[in-house]
Amino acid sequence: GAVVSQHPSWVICKSGTSVKIECRSLDFQATTMFWYRQFPKQSLMLMATSNEGSKATYEQGVEKDKFLINHASLTLSTLTVTSAHPEDSSFYICSARTGENRGYTFGSGTRLTVV
Amino acid sequence: AQSVTQPDIHITVSEGASLELRCNYSYGATPYLFWYVQSPGQGLQLLLKYFSGDTLVQGIKGFEAEFKRSQSSFNLRKPSVHWSDAAEYFCAVGDYNFNKFYFGSGTKLNVKP
Repeated sequence: GAVVSQHPSWVICKSGTSVKIECRSLDFQATTMFWYRQFPKQSLMLMATSNEGSKATYEQGVEKDKFLINHASLTLSTLTVTSAHPEDSSFYICSARTGENRGYTFGSGTRLTVV
Repeated sequence: AQSVTQPDIHITVSEGASLELRCNYSYGATPYLFWYVQSPGQGLQLLLKYFSGDTLVQGIKGFEAEFKRSQSSFNLRKPSVHWSDAAEYFCAVGDYNFNKFYFGSGTKLNVKP
């Protein structure tokens, strides 16, 4: 089946540094990927939609300069949290369309802790 | 506005008992409905999805869900719960063009031995 590989699984970084999270589609081409954020005990909130070769579309309230999304190829999308702060600590997860009848596949998520 | 409501934040059932998790949606177009399960610290695993056709859909791990357009509901059911089913369950709705994908707030399932 369609697999999305997300790395790293967890990361701890210092305030003010940047962190890059990668999502790769392993056996299919993902023209569209979605990035979500999940706060503790809350649901997933869509942050942005990433389209290969074009700019990402951000949801209202999401700082595009802070959460940089790059989707340079059909198999790779990256989310960079710039100048991270403790309030950015969260669970970030990506998903990709696998086709009309196969729906979406999710990565395993990245637990970010900013200290 | 699009939204997904899961009225039950926590549910506890005994192992072997039946389960029903509720999901209601508000969506302007024909919905594409999903149920996902998330184990602690893990990503999301698709249980089942509904796009069209038979309104009763079968998923993995013995789960099923029924789409009821008149009630705007897509409730998840399982006839006999296993301890390994303890997890958090999310209902989600997406549109045909995959432009948006919305999640409910989740229902945490505890299973008593």
